[in-house]
Amino acid sequence: GQNIDQPTEMTATEGAIVQINCTYQTSGFNGLFWYQQHAGEAPTFLSYNVLDGLEEKGRFSSFLSRSKGYSYLLLKELQMKDSASYLCAFMDSNYQLIWGAGTKLIIKP
Amino acid sequence: SAVISQKPSRDICQRGTSLTIQCQVDSQVTMMFWYRQQPGQSLTLIATANQGSEATYESGFVIDKFPISRPNLTFSTLTVSNMSPEDSSIYLCSGSGTEPYEQYFGPGTRLTVT
Repeated sequence: GQNIDQPTEMTATEGAIVQINCTYQTSGFNGLFWYQQHAGEAPTFLSYNVLDGLEEKGRFSSFLSRSKGYSYLLLKELQMKDSASYLCAFMDSNYQLIWGAGTKLIIKP
Repeated sequence: SAVISQKPSRDICQRGTSLTIQCQVDSQVTMMFWYRQQPGQSLTLIATANQGSEATYESGFVIDKFPISRPNLTFSTLTVSNMSPEDSSIYLCSGSGTEPYEQYFGPGTRLTVT
């Protein structure tokens, strides 16, 4: 079957680093996505990983290990505006996105 | 990239009525999807909107309740029929390009049913 899991909520301090983990199980895989969603707004695309390794994009980096069914999103130099929900999703063999429940990230001054 | 707009952005409707949500993309997209997001929860796929044919619905969603149209490659509508308070949610339209990583979302329609 298909399964995806991420922590419900995390808290971090402004200026610090936080890592949000995501684990998944699927027989067909076409990539792993991370989206940011502020309250009351639509998700916005952050990253896409289809090969193993680390993809860095400014303050945000995303890592994928296909053999372990594992990904993480790393946020550096946290800012208050980074307070949001972070959604992990994988694309299955039918090119359909399977979504995690989202991780609510709370940034404290 | 594609820009997706939705109308209306929000609405308050009475039980038993229907609402049609429009989704417009500024360029052609390969696939269009409709999602529902309950407060504090993640996205649930309602259906894939297919151009010129019936939409493909996910388990738990039926055409009589959520009729969908997609007359061309840039436009789709979702109707929420015979609404009840349980239908109160955010409805999101999304489109995808030819590459798997090209996934775009509209701003969402916040529906409240009283």
